[in-house]
Parts: sequence; C-alpha cells; structure tokens
Amino acid sequence: EAGVTQFPSHSVIEKGQTVTLRCDPISGHDNLYWYRRVMGKEIKFLLHFVKESKQDESGMPNNRFLAERTGGTYSTLKVQPAELEDSGVYFCASSQEVGTGYEQYFGPGTRLTVT
Amino acid sequence: RKEVEQDPGPFNVPEGATVAFNCTYSNSASQSFFWYRQDCRKEPKLLMSVYSSGNEDGRFTAQLNRASQYISLLIRDSKLSDSATYLCVVRGGSNYKLTFGKGTLLTVNP
Repeated sequence: EAGVTQFPSHSVIEKGQTVTLRCDPISGHDNLYWYRRVMGKEIKFLLHFVKESKQDESGMPNNRFLAERTGGTYSTLKVQPAELEDSGVYFCASSQEVGTGYEQYFGPGTRLTVT
Repeated sequence: RKEVEQDPGPFNVPEGATVAFNCTYSNSASQSFFWYRQDCRKEPKLLMSVYSSGNEDGRFTAQLNRASQYISLLIRDSKLSDSATYLCVVRGGSNYKLTFGKGTLLTVNP
C-alpha cells in the first residue's frame, strides 16, 4: 500500500512569490492533516480536512495560506505571497478515522525555502 | 509554558547503553500519548503509544504518569540504528490534533 506522498520534496522561491504544495493521502483515508516545522521549533498543526471539508484550520498562520481538498482526495496548500518566515518543512498526514487507535501517517514533507 | 516539553539533548551514548527520554505536557485534558521517531530529513513515524499502565515493546518501554503529566521512554541495549530524533506527542480528548515536543536527538556510537 502506498504511503502519503508529497510534492515537491523541495522548493526554493523568492519572497513575494507563490508556491503550491501537494499532498496525496493514503487511499481510503478521509482525514488529512497539514503540519509545519519551522527552523528550531516543534512541528505544529495547521489544519484538518475530513473528506473535502475543513474541520479545523485554527493552526493556519494567516490568510496568506490557503488549503483545499477538492473531491476529498489530494490536498493543496498554497502560500501567496510567501514571506521569509514561511520557510520550513511542511508535512501532510492522513488517517482512516480520528481518535484512539487511528494512527496518523506522515508524508516525507516538502522543504520550503523562501529567500 | 510550552504544551509539550522534552529534554533538549542531544544525547550521545555508546552501543549497549540504556537511555531515558523525559517529557511533560501542560494540558491535563490530554488523552492520548505517543513517542514518534524521526530520522534525519525524514517524516515522523509512530514508535509506540503510551498507556497509563506502562507498555513495553522489545527494548523500548514507555511510561505515563497522568498525575504528574509526565511521559517517559526508555531504550535498553541501544543499537546504532536507534540514532534518531525522538518526539513526544500528545493528543486531546475529542481533539485529533497532535501536539509535538521539539524532540531529542539521540546518537548511538560504536
């Protein structure tokens, strides 16, 4: 069974540009999460989808970040315009259900560098 | 106060050593507790869940003290392949969000 995949693995962009990250969850997983780790900090939750619906986007830093999951399959996270402090590793995770016993499986992450 | 705090590390130990990781969490409503392992430039992977009664998986033992809001991980007879960052992770009751500590880097030396 394929795991969570993310694209691209690395992205280097200039401040003010736009970047779109993609996540393909494990097939059949309705729950999809985005997390982020900025340099020197812990991994932090950004948002949670159940199918195509946003359940919780309380961790989104500001309105420069837009996440979508059209059709309830893959998800995209767009940063527009990017700022220097957006640099970090963006992880996507998916789970079959929420709650005890349902592991969140993480993708390899997208390393974003804003220069 | 951070929601999840871990030993800052790093830890450097010889093969065969026993190493202990400690973690505290601030939200008393937290319901689920985990240790994740993250290899360099890789994704976090679940190492083990932590239960109130304590649990063991081979060389790994995890303990939870709800009264003290304290979680621990003990690795016995450490191997070179145990070298990684160990992340203490907590989840709330009806909350699916994982809250991570910063992680503790372990290097096991030959």
